[in-house]
Amino acid sequence: GEDVEQSLFLSVREGDSSVINCTYTDSSSTYLYWYKQEPGAGLQLLTYIFSNMDMKQDQRLTVLLNKKDKHLSLRIADTQTGDSAIYFCAEIRRTGRRALTFGSGTRLQVQP
Amino acid sequence: SQTIHQWPATLVQPVGSPLSLECTVEGTSNPNLYWYRQAAGRGLQLLFYSVGIGQISSEVPQNLSASRPQDRQFILSSKKLLLSDSGFYLCACFPFGEQFFGPGTRLTVL
Repeated sequence: GEDVEQSLFLSVREGDSSVINCTYTDSSSTYLYWYKQEPGAGLQLLTYIFSNMDMKQDQRLTVLLNKKDKHLSLRIADTQTGDSAIYFCAEIRRTGRRALTFGSGTRLQVQP
Repeated sequence: SQTIHQWPATLVQPVGSPLSLECTVEGTSNPNLYWYRQAAGRGLQLLFYSVGIGQISSEVPQNLSASRPQDRQFILSSKKLLLSDSGFYLCACFPFGEQFFGPGTRLTVL
């Protein structure tokens, strides 16, 4: 199976909160990332969390990490239409080549 | 901070033609460099990574090759393109803690 898994699609109304979930399998993961990709564009790093942290907040973004369950989530408060994009979860492991392993991405659709 | 340049931004090539995509990095030295490919509607797949000049590791068997002739230059090549090489190619740099991506090259093989 995939090393990093995400649900494919999420639809929310403007002003609501969005929660995008991700699970990973490797307990040696050191950093866990959230990237945003708008249509036709490259990847924008939104935030990242070190594996010894439980939570990180940055303005409208809150990242929660449950190491026991290997579960990562990204919460976007007061979701706006400009938040519509694909969101990728990714991990880097403590050993090996230190390249990112990505989930397949979650398409967030924000309805006005 | 690091800046990654990629060119061209878009490319349309016939099957069987050669390919050369270039990536250059500013603002850091001796970075780890990576080539990823994103097929339509899918996540990113790591193709190659390099920890230094002339050092290339391939992640998946494929029709492509990579080279690193200078510390901050990473090149993706092919002698003969296949239809399956179409996709969005991203160069990335990993100084520490964060991984920065270039703007990408969208390749269409016809």
